[in-house]
Amino acid sequence: DAKTTQPPSMDCAEGRAANLPCNHSTISGNEYVYWYRQIHSQGPQYIIHGLKNNETNEMASLIITEDRKSSTLILPHATLRDTAVYYCIVREWDTDKLIFGTGTRLQVFP
Amino acid sequence: ETGVTQSPTHLIKTRGQQVTLRCSSQSGHNTVSWYQQALGQGPQFIFQYYREEENGRGNFPPRFSGLQFPNYSSELNVNALELDDSALYLCASSRGGVRNTGELFFGEGSRLTVL
Repeated sequence: DAKTTQPPSMDCAEGRAANLPCNHSTISGNEYVYWYRQIHSQGPQYIIHGLKNNETNEMASLIITEDRKSSTLILPHATLRDTAVYYCIVREWDTDKLIFGTGTRLQVFP
Repeated sequence: ETGVTQSPTHLIKTRGQQVTLRCSSQSGHNTVSWYQQALGQGPQFIFQYYREEENGRGNFPPRFSGLQFPNYSSELNVNALELDDSALYLCASSRGGVRNTGELFFGEGSRLTVL
């Protein structure tokens, strides 16, 4: 049973920032938020994860609200190769498992 | 640093047969978990291995079993295959054992078709 809610699809123009929202209102205090993406049924690709502070790496930024009930993944300059299904996931603390939902299908257009 | 590798990449079995899927974890990673992804759905957790022991299991029957070896590689075994077992099987590795909070990296998966 997924702990996250995401819009089923989004569009973004190439070169613009893609902002992917995620709701996780039942998240526990010690559970991390992970983001992955999956292209054409390849293995999910790790993007970023965080607990409560904002995080940034070479791929993306993760903004987590102060109450931790929602987060946003930001791809600063989307390219056509960023077209994929993006999964926002809460990693269960007591089992370590990633509980995937249905994800957001991001389409980047020229 | 080598990534997570899985074999075979594709295979076809018939109902009732048994299958073994293999996974080599990323260098330095000692924890392995397995996921099943049916067509059009998100991956579902099967189980996790750390120190050669299963330490977490999802809602899968006992005919799904696994092993972890001293070099941290792992196998997933499925007995008495059913048509619904057709899926992409994903292996993920991480560092730090149970309740670690680090990155978790997936392999490209083994696509199983059961006829």
